[in-house]
Amino acid sequence: GAVVSQHPSRVICKSGTSVKIECRSLDFQATTMFWYRQFPKQSLMLMATSNEGSKATYEQGVEKDKFLINHASLTLSTLTVTSAHPEDSSFYICSARDPQGGWNEQFFGPGTRLTVL
Amino acid sequence: GENVEQHPSTLSVQEGDSAVIKCTYSDSASNYFPWYKQELGKGPQLIIDIRSNVGEKKDQRIAVTLNKTAKHFSLHITETQPEDSAVYFCAASLTGNQFYFGTGTSLTVIP
Repeated sequence: GAVVSQHPSRVICKSGTSVKIECRSLDFQATTMFWYRQFPKQSLMLMATSNEGSKATYEQGVEKDKFLINHASLTLSTLTVTSAHPEDSSFYICSARDPQGGWNEQFFGPGTRLTVL
Repeated sequence: GENVEQHPSTLSVQEGDSAVIKCTYSDSASNYFPWYKQELGKGPQLIIDIRSNVGEKKDQRIAVTLNKTAKHFSLHITETQPEDSAVYFCAASLTGNQFYFGTGTSLTVIP
């Protein structure tokens, strides 16, 4: 299947700082990428849908000014957690759709563990 | 919106036995049902999926069944091995964009 990478895999930051997480589709062009958040021993919760060249669509309850999403190219989407606080500590996972592949398949990245001190 | 329930939340089986995980969904329009395996500290990996026009799909030791009338689908793993130990998530999709995930099943295969 298609490969999606994330960087960094782990990040520790101080409260009040901003953190950028990158999501890349390595062997396909992804017009749509998704950002999920996962708390320990819980399911994945969709945060936003990122479409190349347009504004992201945020799920209800997700602060778009806090979680900035940019999808500037067909292979890269970024999630910036602005003014991070301890409650933002979580596992952030991106996924991407391969338009040339299965019509519904989403390929997930390995995730980024964010710890805010 | 769609609501996906998954059972059981934890499952322990002896190596070589079968494991079954069940999911129900609420929106009869959902038409794509993938299953993901997630190992600790990693992202989910697609292991098998089924579309609403198919009742059953099998891939070696893994099979998925779908009952559209009852709105439930199940994952079957036969001849389980210790490396099958992980958290498994089901999902349902209506449009192909929005995935609604189940709450996960932690599977432990005891050697």
